[in-house]
Amino acid sequence: GQNIDQPTEMTATEGAIVQINCTYQTSGFNGLFWYQQHAGEAPTFLSYNVLDGLEEKGRFSSFLSRSKGYSYLLLKELQMKDSASYLCAVRGGNTGFQKLVFGTGTRLLVSP
Amino acid sequence: NAGVTQTPKFRVLKTGQSMTLLCAQDMNHEYMYWYRQDPGMGLRLIHYSVGEGTTAKGEVPDGYNVSRLKKQNFLLGLESAAPSQTSVYFCASSGAGGSQPQHFGDGTRLSIL
Repeated sequence: GQNIDQPTEMTATEGAIVQINCTYQTSGFNGLFWYQQHAGEAPTFLSYNVLDGLEEKGRFSSFLSRSKGYSYLLLKELQMKDSASYLCAVRGGNTGFQKLVFGTGTRLLVSP
Repeated sequence: NAGVTQTPKFRVLKTGQSMTLLCAQDMNHEYMYWYRQDPGMGLRLIHYSVGEGTTAKGEVPDGYNVSRLKKQNFLLGLESAAPSQTSVYFCASSGAGGSQPQHFGDGTRLSIL
């Protein structure tokens, strides 16, 4: 089976740094995606990791450790517009080439 | 760029009625997907397609049917709507290749009374 765990909600202050964790147990592993979803809107792609290590994209970075079944999304210099849900999604080894399994998402609230 | 377009955006149905949700993408993507999103449960895959004329079941296919007669369109049908199908439905598409992200439409908010 597939299991993906993320914290339900996090709060942070504008200008701060926040780390959103994701742990997964899947039958095989072929990549992990992070998506951002503002309330009432569609998910939008943030990052992709398939090898261990850190991928940096501007204020956002994503880290992967395959041996630990662990990833995190790091958001720096938080802005009010970063208030959103952040979805972790894993492509497992036996779920088909493009099928993703999504976590329930972490709702991030950024306050002034 | 339109990307992925879903119609309608909102709909209210009575139990037992049928309807079709339309998804269209203009990115020439091979793969298309239908998800439902419910509070506390995340996105769950209903059906997907790996190419024109092909469809396959996802995690929660019961009560839904799909068709992909043209590469750019993916239709989701509810034959006899039930209150348990009240949800937000998202369509997505992606190119071939493992690193290709899925691109989502804006969603259809469906209520079954």
